[in-house]
Amino acid sequence: KAGVTQTPRYLIKTRGQQVTLSCSPISGHRSVSWYQQTPGQGLQFLFEYFSETQRNKGNFPGRFSGRQFSNSRSEMNVSTLELGDSALYLCASRAGSATNEKLFFGSGTQLSVL
Amino acid sequence: DAKTTQPTSMDCAEGRAANLPCNHSTISGNEYVYWYRQIHSQGPQYIIHGLKNNETNEMASLIITEDRKSSTLILPHATLRDTAVYYCIAVRGAGNMLTFGGGTRLMVKP
Repeated sequence: KAGVTQTPRYLIKTRGQQVTLSCSPISGHRSVSWYQQTPGQGLQFLFEYFSETQRNKGNFPGRFSGRQFSNSRSEMNVSTLELGDSALYLCASRAGSATNEKLFFGSGTQLSVL
Repeated sequence: DAKTTQPTSMDCAEGRAANLPCNHSTISGNEYVYWYRQIHSQGPQYIIHGLKNNETNEMASLIITEDRKSSTLILPHATLRDTAVYYCIAVRGAGNMLTFGGGTRLMVKP
């Protein structure tokens, strides 16, 4: 079974631009969540989608948004990029919403904002 | 979610057991203890989780104290490939809305 796939692997943007990141979950997984990881803040939850609906949202500004498609693939968008948005963006999937389900992470997209 | 405290770094000799401690003294009754690890340039990898009882799987063992205020992750025979940052988190419910702190940087040496 293929793992969680994130594209692109690396991305360089300039301030003010917008960016879209893509995540393909493990086949059969319906939940996709997104995380931001920086050296200073560690790993922080952005949002979770389940069956095309946003189910949970972390404490990030509205510039960060996402969506999930009917095939469970998900995209994350960041508008009006700031230097502080430079980070590793991770996507994770799991099959459903049971209490003990573990997350499977992709390798991430390394975003650099110049 | 309860705050967890872990040592910043640890060393372990290859082939020996690696014991990684985690303090979660404010954990509540419905919070699970999860362990993940992250090898450089990769996404975090799930290792194990537990609520009250000790747990074991093909990767590791998790020992939770009776008062649940601390736990220890045990890698029974550490290899060089176990060199990574190990994160301990205490999460309520589904364990999806994760926040990782600094973790423990484990260096396995030959």
